[in-house]
Amino acid sequence: DTEVTQTPKHLVMGMTNKKSLKCEQHMGHRAMYWYKQKAKKPPELMFVYSYEKLSINESVPSRFSPECPNSSLLNLHLHALQPEDSALYLCASSQDQFPDTQYFGPGTRLTVL
Amino acid sequence: AQSVSQHNHHVILSEAASLELGCNYSYGGTVNLFWYVQYPGQHLQLLLKYFSGDPLVKGIKGFEAEFIKSKFSFNLRKPSVQWSDTAEYFCAVNAGTSGTYKYIFGTGTRLKVLA
Repeated sequence: DTEVTQTPKHLVMGMTNKKSLKCEQHMGHRAMYWYKQKAKKPPELMFVYSYEKLSINESVPSRFSPECPNSSLLNLHLHALQPEDSALYLCASSQDQFPDTQYFGPGTRLTVL
Repeated sequence: AQSVSQHNHHVILSEAASLELGCNYSYGGTVNLFWYVQYPGQHLQLLLKYFSGDPLVKGIKGFEAEFIKSKFSFNLRKPSVQWSDTAEYFCAVNAGTSGTYKYIFGTGTRLKVLA
């Protein structure tokens, strides 16, 4: 199983809402990542978890809050987002933190109204 | 700062034409290099990667890439493209030191193959 799954596929939320994105992998990978991808742009790294501990936060605003409940799961909690936060949010995992091949999920398409 | 450049933003080819997509990076230390592909409506998939050894690496679907250290380049090639190769291609560089490695993606190249 080389799959990273993400739910939901699409999410529409208002600026006052609280929602969460979920990512799951069962490959035994110990590193997991959140990326943000705007249209026609490359993925931009947001957070890295290694062995369930946050190891990199790319100066992401606090309205994005990551959580790694266990080695297979990664959540991204969203609160008080802005319309410019609308994007495709990608989750990835790798055997270990860089350098290593990352496996990407299909993403959650987020629209903030 | 580390950066990855993909000079071809849009490429249009006819089927059976040869393909070469450029990728240059700026980082003086050890790097690991990747090409990812994103087909329409699908997620990012690894095409090929270079960590060490033979600088000419072969990937899936007939793609290959050559690492030229002196030119800081990792160009992607395919001798004969197919309509199904229509996709966006991202070069990525993984560089840094222990605990600070990051993937840096290039801006991507949109390839359209005409049947």
